[in-house]
Amino acid sequence: QLHLVESGGGVVQSGKSLRLSCAASGFTFSDYTIHWVRQAPGKGLEWVAVISFDGNNKLYADSVKGRFTISRDNSKNTLSLQMNSLRPEDTAAYYCARTATLHQNYFDPWGHGTLVTVSS
Amino acid sequence: DIQMTQSPSTLSASVGDRVTITCRASQSISSWLAWYQQKPGKAPKLLIYKASSLESGVPSRFSGSGSGTEFTLSISSLQPDDFATYYCQQYNSYPLTFGGGTKVEIK
Repeated sequence: QLHLVESGGGVVQSGKSLRLSCAASGFTFSDYTIHWVRQAPGKGLEWVAVISFDGNNKLYADSVKGRFTISRDNSKNTLSLQMNSLRPEDTAAYYCARTATLHQNYFDPWGHGTLVTVSS
Repeated sequence: DIQMTQSPSTLSASVGDRVTITCRASQSISSWLAWYQQKPGKAPKLLIYKASSLESGVPSRFSGSGSGTEFTLSISSLQPDDFATYYCQQYNSYPLTFGGGTKVEIK
């Protein structure tokens, strides 16, 4: 069974840092591109970042570029999101999501999400 | 960036109704469109990919259509489990973008 489990969320002050993790199981992690998607409370979905299967290619939304860093450890089947210089508008549930197929960027499965709250 | 516009934002319907949700892209995305269902406190669930392909395990009452810039998600006979929020997502190009969502409520 495919599983993604996020961790590392919490309450943090504006300007501080937080590191999220996503543990994968049930599939060959090193074969797949993985994304972070976030959802502010009561709002819609926003794509945040993507990392290629081998970690060599990364892209970010403009809203987080220069502040967030996506990385992966294929030996441990884990994905990370280092979030620096956090702002109140970064408050959201953060989901890791796998590309459903090797070459098309729609998402399945998703993790259950981890909530990040940035206080001002 | 490709903007995705969903309508309506809220839809009130009864069990057994046929409902249709529209998603418009600001430029052509061919058929690179997915639909998701999300319930409160849960992660989104994939329903449709490549505009009209039904994900395995998704009931056949769900269907998708369209190409280019105009897409629809239809539910042929609304069931109690279908009351949720639905999102479209384009994967033609980065940044990947979502529609604003359509909440399907009980009438």
